[in-house]
Amino acid sequence: KNEVEQSPQNLTAQEGEFITINCSYSVGISALHWLQQHPGGGIVSLFMLSSGKKKHGRLIATINIQEKHSSLHITASHPRDSAVYICAVKFFWGGRRSGGGADGLTFGKGTHLIIQP
Amino acid sequence: EPEVTQTPSHQVTQMGQEVILRCVPISNHLYFYWYRQILGQKVEFLVSFYNNEISEKSEIFDDQFSVERPDGSNFTLKIRSTKLEDSAMYFCATLRLGRPEAFFGQGTRLTVV
Repeated sequence: KNEVEQSPQNLTAQEGEFITINCSYSVGISALHWLQQHPGGGIVSLFMLSSGKKKHGRLIATINIQEKHSSLHITASHPRDSAVYICAVKFFWGGRRSGGGADGLTFGKGTHLIIQP
Repeated sequence: EPEVTQTPSHQVTQMGQEVILRCVPISNHLYFYWYRQILGQKVEFLVSFYNNEISEKSEIFDDQFSVERPDGSNFTLKIRSTKLEDSAMYFCATLRLGRPEAFFGQGTRLTVV
């Protein structure tokens, strides 16, 4: 069964700390997304990865295809980073390699991050 | 200005009624998707739409659901006869020409009573 596991489920940290959120998946993928869900429910796409590493401001996302694992890092965390962070992947479907867009994404349960001042 | 706007932000409807959720991208969006998130649960894929037809759908997307782009801009999700278990946050997502990431709307919170 195609699964996406995130850890930790909940994370509380102090402002300024370095944050790491992990995502593991069960079988081969064509793309992995990191998303941020705000308290009101809205979702923002942070990164889409198929290999390597991406950086945007204080956010860094890495993926290791061989180990089927991705991490999202937040440097110099701030209370405004408090949100739910969701990993979502596009699994290969029956051997056919689909595009890396949002087709048939499988979502993790999310990591609820709270940054305290 | 957001890439994708969803309306309404919140809808309350009686069981058995039809609802239409709308998604309006800015422009140059080629792929369209609907997802839903039941309170406290994971986001789930419903359907993807490209070139005016469904390209993929999940087992959740049964005959009660339909999608269309009636005027080439709005992308709609229709639930024909709502059930209590359809209560959820519904998200539209799009893929824009030249950009690898998906754009998500702010969601429509549907409450069926």
